[in-house]
Amino acid sequence: GENVEQHPSTLSVQEGDSAVIKCTYSDSASNYFPWYKQELGKGPQLIIDIRSNVGEKKDQRIAVTLNKTAKHFSLHITETQPEDSAVYFCAASNNYGQNFVFGPGTRLSVLP
Amino acid sequence: DAGVIQSPRHEVTEMGQEVTLRCKPISGHDYLFWYRQTMMRGLELLIYFNNNVPIDDSGMPEDRFSAKMPNASFSTLKIQPSEPRDSAVYFCASSLGVGGSYEQYFGPGTRLTVT
Repeated sequence: GENVEQHPSTLSVQEGDSAVIKCTYSDSASNYFPWYKQELGKGPQLIIDIRSNVGEKKDQRIAVTLNKTAKHFSLHITETQPEDSAVYFCAASNNYGQNFVFGPGTRLSVLP
Repeated sequence: DAGVIQSPRHEVTEMGQEVTLRCKPISGHDYLFWYRQTMMRGLELLIYFNNNVPIDDSGMPEDRFSAKMPNASFSTLKIQPSEPRDSAVYFCASSLGVGGSYEQYFGPGTRLTVT
């Protein structure tokens, strides 16, 4: 089955700096890759996603890149703000958004 | 819309007791998912339904766990008998699943503690 690895497990950056979180997946049939943000005491919330037919997608300060050959994808957050502090999860699905396999998560701290 | 609604938000029970977690998906969503989140195992998909029919329950840990979806607006996850290792946060999520919209909307979760 699918296996998703995520690095780093924790990340601290200064406000205004960029943050990068990387994930790798094992199933070459995976075709949908969402990123979720989870704040304390809440459920995960989608922040951006990318499909296998696209190499990059951007939404304001957030961007995701996908390298299908290497089977890895990354989340980039620019101009980080304290409210970006949370746990971020990547996920992979091989049937378009149904069987998600989540990575272990990255705890991002943005220091003021 | 109110989003995905889960109840109770917190549940404390003794080992051996039956526990029932409840979920109301977003109206119009065809897919419903149950997840479990622990520090050790992260977020795990337990089971999901499409149009009230269970599609994949391979993530259900053992026969003590069961899930039902009697109609489009309600689902339950039952643990009987409960054990301390079932302590976790259980999330319900729903998605449209059609027209290319794959986003899963998560509820606030139920924190289960089994003593």
